[in-house]
Amino acid sequence: AQTVTQSQPEMSVQEAETVTLSCTYDTSENNYYLFWYKQPPSRQMILVIRQEAYKQQNATENRFSVNFQKAAKSFSLKISDSQLGDTAMYFCAFMKLGNNNDMRFGAGTRLTVKP
Amino acid sequence: DSGVTQTPKHLITATGQRVTLRCSPRSGDLSVYWYQQSLDQGLQFLIQYYNGEERAKGNILERFSAQQFPDLHSELNLSSLELGDSALYFCASSLMWAGKETQYFGPGTRLLVL
Repeated sequence: AQTVTQSQPEMSVQEAETVTLSCTYDTSENNYYLFWYKQPPSRQMILVIRQEAYKQQNATENRFSVNFQKAAKSFSLKISDSQLGDTAMYFCAFMKLGNNNDMRFGAGTRLTVKP
Repeated sequence: DSGVTQTPKHLITATGQRVTLRCSPRSGDLSVYWYQQSLDQGLQFLIQYYNGEERAKGNILERFSAQQFPDLHSELNLSSLELGDSALYFCASSLMWAGKETQYFGPGTRLLVL
């Protein structure tokens, strides 16, 4: 079974600085997707970024980028130029390819961006 | 706004009761996923439907059931409710089912069982 671990329950960063959120996962699968979702106080789940395991190049979406280390089963999220609106819970998620699209989430990291 | 709608937004009921949560996927999306977010269990995948058929099952209790109708909207039925069923229930949709597509989440239905 796949497990996703986020070892940082809470983090804080000053506005305009950079922060990295950690995520590790355990799987025997070779083909899968990894995601970072953001959940602001409104509780809406918002996709931040996703990474296909077969791609070596790290995904980037504007100020958000990932460091995907497949051998180490690590998938960290870097937020550059942090903004107050980045304050939210961030969930790392794993989904294997195939018929059973069981998505597994980490416990989340609560990020606070301070002015 | 993701384009996924869920009703009702809030639901308060008593133990032993049955409720139905409704989800309308984004226009054109064929897959619907249901998730439960609770304080003790975190975010859990419950079940997925694709074009009316069950495609994948996660940690869904036997007291829970779901279906997807011909117009692609989906309903999650929760019966014999217990206090521990209190949670935020999300629906998400995607175009297909193979995991290649982004899942777009609805705003959720907050269920409180008293």
